[in-house]
Order: sequence, then structure tokens, then C-alpha cells
Amino acid sequence: QSVLTQPPSASGTPGQRVTISCSGSSSNIGRNYVYWYQQLPGTAPKLLMYRNNQRPSGVPDRFSGSRSGTSASLAISGLRSEDEADYYCATWDDSLSGPVFGGGTKLTVL
Amino acid sequence: EVHLVESGGGLVQPGRSLRLSCTASGFTFGDYVVTWVRQAPERGLEWVGFIRIKAYGGTTEYAASVKGRFTISRDDSKRIAYLQMNSLKTEDTAVYYCARVYCSSSGCYIPHFDYWGQGTLVTVSS
Repeated sequence: QSVLTQPPSASGTPGQRVTISCSGSSSNIGRNYVYWYQQLPGTAPKLLMYRNNQRPSGVPDRFSGSRSGTSASLAISGLRSEDEADYYCATWDDSLSGPVFGGGTKLTVL
Repeated sequence: EVHLVESGGGLVQPGRSLRLSCTASGFTFGDYVVTWVRQAPERGLEWVGFIRIKAYGGTTEYAASVKGRFTISRDDSKRIAYLQMNSLKTEDTAVYYCARVYCSSSGCYIPHFDYWGQGTLVTVSS
């Protein structure tokens, strides 16, 4: 069972906006930055979002992140078929003294 | 261009040892923290551990699930980080990734893992 809770699946049709949530606690999301990783099928994870809402170079602005209290979310607008992947949130946990990942959300583009 | 390449994976019996390597190129290896993350088959990502840069003692931190059995080390002259895995268990079966931790003049930020290797599969089975 992961320290950070994500829905196991999400879906949308091309062009739609989807949101993936990540729920934590005061020892992790509540006081530390949240990061998001995208893992396309059969590939290594790739950094998608850092410091809650910052996009690395090359990540389209269709992707946005936010954090509020002990939860965070990743939004994808103008959904495209190539967005079909697993998405993971991550942050530092002060109680565990280490980073933690969410269980991952499998995004399906219908 | 930044590259990380893992090697050393394979099939190993429970209780045995295996050493993975992470060979880096395209950046000043000694200036960056390196972390290991694993992914069991059809499962999510699990942090394994990281090693600090020499300027901060090159010290290490580990997840509870591997502490006492796994050891991370680094050879900055060879641009390689190692993951020594002892007393392996079937539940250690996973793809093991190494990743670079983003570091700036103000520090290194975990889990800001900006570059990842392609991973190497470790299968622990009799």
C-alpha cells in the first residue's frame, strides 16, 4: 500500500481534460513539493512536473500541476492518444525520511 | 546529452548477491546525487536508495525494505554508481532504474529525478 494515494485508472476521449489526484498527509504533500512522472508503455519514467506546477523543458503546456493542503493533482487538457501512460506522483516524506511514490494511475485514451 | 545506462541484471537465486552498475555520461557525475528506483512486474515505482556527492560525505540513505541488505556506492573517476544487493529475496524481483537527482547551487532536490536510465531486470528465483 502506497503512502500517496492515486486512483488506479483514469480515462478520457481525445480533446478532453482529465485530472489525476494524489492524496497524502501533513508529513509529505502537506509540507513538500510534489513531482509527477509519466511512464509510457515499456519505457523508463520521465519527469513531467516538478515543484508542484513547473514543467521541464519539452513538456507541453497541456500538462499542469497543482497542490492544495495534503493533496495534489495533475491535469491534462486537449487529451491526445500519446498521453496514454502510467502517471506517478512523488514527494519527500518527513516521517519516513525518504521519497515516496503514489501507486500510479493508468490513463487510457478512449 | 545526459545518459544513464544500467547493467548487471539477471537471474539469481534467493539468498545470493548481485551488483548493478549505473554508467553516466554527458554531465559532471561527481556533482550529482544518484538514486535507485525499482519497479516490480506490473507494479508501481519504489524508491530504493540514494548516494550523496563526495562534498557531502558520499553518504547513503535506503528504503526500509532494503536497508541492511543493499549498498550503494560510487566511483566518480569512472562515472559509475553501484547497487550491491545481498541476501536477495523473491520480492526483490524488479526492473531497477538509476536516476540523476536534480542539483543546483542551492542544493539537491529529492525526488526531483531529472534523468533516468532504461533499467535492468533482476529476477530472484530458484
